Amino acid sequence: NAGVTQTPKFRVLKTGQSMTLLCAQDMNHEYMYWYRQDPGMGLRLIHYSVGEGTTAKGEVPDGYNVSRLKKQNFLLGLESAAPSQTSVYFCASSYGTGYNEQFFGPGTRLTVL
Amino acid sequence: AQTVTQSQPEMSVQEAETVTLSCTYDTSESDYYLFWYKQPPSRQMILVIRQEAYKQQNATENRFSVNFQKAAKSFSLKISDSQLGDAAMYFCAYRRPWGAGNMLTFGGGTRLMVKP
Repeated sequence: NAGVTQTPKFRVLKTGQSMTLLCAQDMNHEYMYWYRQDPGMGLRLIHYSVGEGTTAKGEVPDGYNVSRLKKQNFLLGLESAAPSQTSVYFCASSYGTGYNEQFFGPGTRLTVL
Repeated sequence: AQTVTQSQPEMSVQEAETVTLSCTYDTSESDYYLFWYKQPPSRQMILVIRQEAYKQQNATENRFSVNFQKAAKSFSLKISDSQLGDAAMYFCAYRRPWGAGNMLTFGGGTRLMVKP
């Protein structure tokens, strides 16, 4: 099992450009999440999904969109990148709620110039 | 909204010694879950240990144990017999049992350095 994978691992964008981050999991998990991690801070939830075809806003959703067309994939889009979106982005998935472990991907380091 | 506070930005421990990392949280709920995650330089987030709030017994996982004080809203992590591989960022996290996809709310992290 590959677990949770993220594509790409690194990316540099210019202000105003768009891009999509891909997250894939092979554990048949229902729940998937996108977090961002800024220097000196813990992870903050951007968007999440509780199942195929569903998405919902998290703590810091502005400037991002997501889609969950297939159960195993969760896409994070930046339509018009801004320097404030420079961060490390983590995808996670879990089988259920509460006590269930969230499994994290390796992260994507995004720099917006 | 729940908040999680880790008051120690950095900690240092001698190899084979014991270290305790602090975490406090703020919540009005009686049922919830608490987690400690480790993030080594590779960036990979790794679950270290977890605790259910309704269980009074402190969780243990090999060299890792917690001191859960529900009334004080404190959840500290004790690492015994510290090893060089324990050097990493450690994040405390809180999770509600329902709502908002059961998101994790993280503290700001503590950087642990292990001296040989």
